[in-house]
Amino acid sequence: AQSVTQLGSHVSVSEGALVLLRCNYSSSVPPYLFWYVQYPNQGLQLLLKYTTGATLVKGINGFEAEFKKSETSFHLTKPSAHMSDAAEYFCAVTPGAGNMLTFGGGTRLMVKP
Amino acid sequence: GAVVSQHPSRVICKSGTSVKIECRSLDFQATTMFWYRQFPKQSLMLMATSNEGSKATYEQGVEKDKFLINHASLTLSTLTVTSAHPEDSSFYICSARARETIDTEAFFGQGTRLTVV
Repeated sequence: AQSVTQLGSHVSVSEGALVLLRCNYSSSVPPYLFWYVQYPNQGLQLLLKYTTGATLVKGINGFEAEFKKSETSFHLTKPSAHMSDAAEYFCAVTPGAGNMLTFGGGTRLMVKP
Repeated sequence: GAVVSQHPSRVICKSGTSVKIECRSLDFQATTMFWYRQFPKQSLMLMATSNEGSKATYEQGVEKDKFLINHASLTLSTLTVTSAHPEDSSFYICSARARETIDTEAFFGQGTRLTVV
């Protein structure tokens, strides 16, 4: 079974500041990990994913995440926040191809001018 | 990336009526589609998994007679909320996974905001 924990349901940063959204997972098998972004009343857009290979993954809009097996973490970062980054972010895990995604509780990112 | 179209984006219906939500994969064939429900300020909860040509698999606590899922083709899955009640008001999101791919990415529809009055 898989589970995902996102620490902090709300994160507030100033524009230009570092963004760090935390995600820890548990999985009985090597996981595939994802970060999605959701804007109000919209579906989910994939930011980035880790399947195999390089543990530092770069995604769209300047986001990146690092898979740390020893820490069972997949934290999402962005060096400099932009107002347009304000949204809900979800971390998700799946045990492999063809399986459903298990989502974390989500983190609402607020960006202050 | 691949496109999943969900329709309608918003629907308001009267209590006791049924509502059908469509999820279409526009540029790929989806052997598996997932239906999620999202309550305000909460995460996505998987309702059911549907595979083309077979019956959907429902998660525990989801009434299969209330939430009818049909996945009749490789590009279309429908969710019908039967005899809707105000407590069924929610945001419903589908996602589709392409067949014959080693990539585990699932593509999401835009979601449907259902309001039952």
